[in-house]
Amino acid sequence: NAGVTQTPKFRILKIGQSMTLQCTQDMNHNYMYWYRQDPGMGLKLIYYSVGAGITDKGEVPNGYNVSRSTTEDFPLRLELAAPSQTSVYFCASSEFPTGQVAYEQYFGPGTRLTVT
Amino acid sequence: QKEVEQDPGPLSVPEGAIVSLNCTYSNSAFQYFMWYRQYSRKGPELLMYTYSSGNKEDGRFTAQVDKSSKYISLFIRDSQPSDSATYLCAMSQGAQKLVFGQGTRLTINP
Repeated sequence: NAGVTQTPKFRILKIGQSMTLQCTQDMNHNYMYWYRQDPGMGLKLIYYSVGAGITDKGEVPNGYNVSRSTTEDFPLRLELAAPSQTSVYFCASSEFPTGQVAYEQYFGPGTRLTVT
Repeated sequence: QKEVEQDPGPLSVPEGAIVSLNCTYSNSAFQYFMWYRQYSRKGPELLMYTYSSGNKEDGRFTAQVDKSSKYISLFIRDSQPSDSATYLCAMSQGAQKLVFGQGTRLTINP
């Protein structure tokens, strides 16, 4: 299993450009998430999905959009990129918890995005 | 007030030392408490989790949760240079959304 894969690894965008960050998982997980990580700020949830066709906003959704047409893929779309969106973006997936076992979120390697 | 507070460090200790990492939180509904480890330029990986209050031990790592004080800790015994990483606490109410602390950057010096 490859786990969670993200592309691209790095990207530089000009202000106002758009792009899609790709995320794919091969573990058949129902839950998928997008986070951004800024230096010293931990992880902030952007959007999440509980299954194909179902998405919801997290803590910092402004400036982003998502879709979930399949179980495996959860792309993140940036429209009209701004310098404030310079960050490292992580995609993660998890499965339904069972009993008292906390569901583990499996993270991808991240995409480093710079907007100038 | 942030829901989860974690001292970002950085924290630097000699090899073999006992390391204590801590988080405080304000939401008394949190039930699941986790510690993730993140190596430089990598995604976080789950290190330990605890449900509700109590202790959990796994090798050199011990996780403690004190719900009455809204305080969680991670102890690392006999620390090794390979433990050098950023440690993130995370917690949830039992639904799928985790709330993360800011992360503590730890360096173990040989």
